[in-house]
Amino acid sequence: ILNVEQSPQSLHVQEGDSTNFTCSFPSSNFYALHWYRWETAKSPEALFVMTLNGDEKKKGRISATLNTKEGYSYLYIKGSQPEDSATYLCAFRVDSGYALNFGKGTSLLVTP
Amino acid sequence: ETGVTQSPTHLIKTRGQQVTLRCSSQSGHNTVSWYQQALGQGPQFIFQYYREEENGRGNFPPRFSGLQFPNYSSELNVNALELDDSALYLCASSGDLAGVHEQYFGPGTRLTVT
Repeated sequence: ILNVEQSPQSLHVQEGDSTNFTCSFPSSNFYALHWYRWETAKSPEALFVMTLNGDEKKKGRISATLNTKEGYSYLYIKGSQPEDSATYLCAFRVDSGYALNFGKGTSLLVTP
Repeated sequence: ETGVTQSPTHLIKTRGQQVTLRCSSQSGHNTVSWYQQALGQGPQFIFQYYREEENGRGNFPPRFSGLQFPNYSSELNVNALELDDSALYLCASSGDLAGVHEQYFGPGTRLTVT
């Protein structure tokens, strides 16, 4: 079992605040790192898949960075909005075509 | 939404019974993976099917089995249900195995075992 840790477990911010979460994963045998956004009663939504050390991805106000040598990825949300409220999951992969190893997620609540 | 559908949305079964969960993959995808999310945990990999063959399996007992059909839809079967099988079951579809492909998830089936 590959240990993927996410922190914090939950986060409550005010509308307009910027925030970030951490995903830690084993640095050996790295293949890919995925981020998902999961709203209650919906399907997890794919945000990013990252493969290269130093990779940075951006989608609107959300961005992510990757450090495969030290085994962590950061997800940033700039100017949080109430619609950003969701659970953010990261998942680590060691082989092509096999399992995603998920963390427990960070639950974000953004209040007006 | 992703185009991946699952049925039923939720169901309740009794310990010892058998259950079948269904997943329709996104158009053009030939790989389906199944995950179990127990309360308070991240999703755990059960197995993956690629072109109708099992392509990898997580740490789940043999009473968890699956099928993939020629149209790439899939079933997850669980025999001899136990209370700990109560969880959200997610399926995800993706393109060919070669390279890095995103996995697109359905909304899940909530299984309660009493």
